[in-house]
Amino acid sequence: QVQLQESGPGLVKPSETLFLTCDVSGDSIGNGFYWGWIRQPPGKGLEWIVNVHQNGNTYYSPSLKSRVTVSVDTSKNQFSLRLDSVTAADTAVYYCARAPSAGAGLFSFDPWSQGTLVTVSS
Amino acid sequence: EIVMTQSPATLSVSPGETATLSCRASENIRINLAWYQLKPGQAPRLLIYAASTRATGVPARFSGSGSGTEFTLTISSLQSEDFAVYYCQQHNKWPPLTFGGGTKVEI
Repeated sequence: QVQLQESGPGLVKPSETLFLTCDVSGDSIGNGFYWGWIRQPPGKGLEWIVNVHQNGNTYYSPSLKSRVTVSVDTSKNQFSLRLDSVTAADTAVYYCARAPSAGAGLFSFDPWSQGTLVTVSS
Repeated sequence: EIVMTQSPATLSVSPGETATLSCRASENIRINLAWYQLKPGQAPRLLIYAASTRATGVPARFSGSGSGTEFTLTISSLQSEDFAVYYCQQHNKWPPLTFGGGTKVEI
């Protein structure tokens, strides 16, 4: 059973960098899937951030692309999200998830992590 | 960007009844639509992809239909564990992948 678990600080100061890591178990991160980050601000809906493949192919949300860096570490079977210059608008529950790279379910997400709340505040 | 619009925002139903949730895309997304269930403190769950294909382990009371711009998620014989927020997501054209605003199914 594939499981994803994100980790990182729950509080980040404005203008600083948010950094999260997603550990993958039950599957190899090099197994052909895309790996994504999605967030949900308090009281709002879901917002897709980025999808990354182990081969380096990456798709970014245009609204966040200038501030997002994502990486894959196959040796640790994990992938990471870096979001620069955060503001209060980046306060959200952040999820990591797996997405098929082909087939009928292409770029749907399954499974997801439980999510971690990151608050941007001084 | 493809805009996804869900209705209603809140749906009040009783256990045992049928809930019908709608999702509309701002342009043709063929059948490339997924539905998710979100509950507080839990990992979101994929229910349906490609508009009507149930994900592994999803009960048959969940069914999806539609194509093009109009889609429906139907939950038959609602169980207590089905009260949650449901989101649709288009996976036809990216970036960006986009989600609807959600429908809360409540008692």
